[in-house]
Parts: sequence; C-alpha cells; structure tokens
Amino acid sequence: GQQVQQSPASLVLQEGENAELQCNFSSTATQLQWFYQRPGGSLVSLLYNPSGTKHTGRLTSTTVTKERRSSLHISSSQITDSGTYFCAMEVNTGNYKYVFGAGTRLKVIA
Amino acid sequence: GALVYQYPRRTICKSGTSMRMECQAVGFQATSVAWYRQSPQKTFELIALSTVNSAIKYEQNFTQEKFPISHPNLSFSSMTVLNAYLEDRGLYLCGAAPGTEVFFGKGTRLTVV
Repeated sequence: GQQVQQSPASLVLQEGENAELQCNFSSTATQLQWFYQRPGGSLVSLLYNPSGTKHTGRLTSTTVTKERRSSLHISSSQITDSGTYFCAMEVNTGNYKYVFGAGTRLKVIA
Repeated sequence: GALVYQYPRRTICKSGTSMRMECQAVGFQATSVAWYRQSPQKTFELIALSTVNSAIKYEQNFTQEKFPISHPNLSFSSMTVLNAYLEDRGLYLCGAAPGTEVFFGKGTRLTVV
C-alpha cells in the first residue's frame, strides 16, 4: 500500500490565507522532509523534521512520530507560494531510501 | 553546510542517445547516494541506491543496463540514461547521505526530443 499519503491533493487559497498540508505515513518515520516544487521547476528542500516542531520563515512543520503524521503550515500565503509541496520519508531506518508522497498542489490567487 | 549539486540542471537529448548526469556532495562524505526520477505530473520514484564499497541496488522496473551508476568516491556519483526515449523524460534527483540525514540536489531535468 501507499506508504506516504498527502492531503489535500490540491488547494486554492486567497493571498493572505493560511495553508495546512498534511502527510500521513504507514510506518515509523525516522527521517522526514518537506519539499517544494514550482511547475516544471527543480526540487527545493524546505524543512527536515523527523519529529517535533520546526520553523523557517512563514513555514512551520509539526511531526508527531507516534501518530505517523506530519503537517506543514504556511502562514499568510503569497502568490509565489504556488506550486507542489512534497512530503518524503525514509522507508526503513538507515537505508537512505526515501518514499515521496504524491504532493499537494497549492494555488494562491489574488 | 552540507550541499548537493547536480549538473547539468537541464538537458535535452535526441531520442535513442544517452545522457550522463552528475551529483556532487559538498561539505560531507556521501556514503550513500540514491537516484530518483519524477516523470511528468508524477511524484518521485527511487531508481537505485548506491553505497560506497557495496553493490548498487536497483528498484523494480529499473536496471543497470538502462541506468548505469558510478559512485567512485565519497563526494561524487553519476548516472547515465542509456538509449533515452520519451518515457525517460523528467526530473532526476540525487539524494546523498553521510549518515542520518539525506541531502538532496535540485535535480537534472531531462527532455527527450
């Protein structure tokens, strides 16, 4: 079965609204990262957050390992935040293989 | 800090030809390097995992004959897409690990014409 599930699949927000992206995984995540990709663009690592809460700029990620979930909160969304957000985790501890979710497509409109 | 550079960033090749892409780890020793592919409109799938001094392990649907990988030292890995066709287009991503955390490059985007 799918090991990393992201929700929602897509999201449309008005500029200034907050976004909450979810990532659920089927096994314990020892490594978890959030990434961003503009359409047709390269992949950008946003946050490495295997557990707890981490912040960078307008982004906050909270990972609850026991509950096998992680969230990415984007505050005061901007049009330039539009793109796809991926959550990825290591499949088994120490094997360095990551499984990526299908992504959440975010569109921020004026 | 730890960085992973991939080059070229974008490349175009003719159908039936081959394309080599490179992955350079800076600031750490890349004991393991994993290569991924993102086909258009899809997520990333693992091609293979290479660990220095060990055999390279390919995932199902990917073979050494099609995607030969070289990992000669702790800072460099390369992968070639042999005999590329339309279905090989996409973003190829390298993830390198010194130990626990994996650091990713920005990818090499391959267009096949």
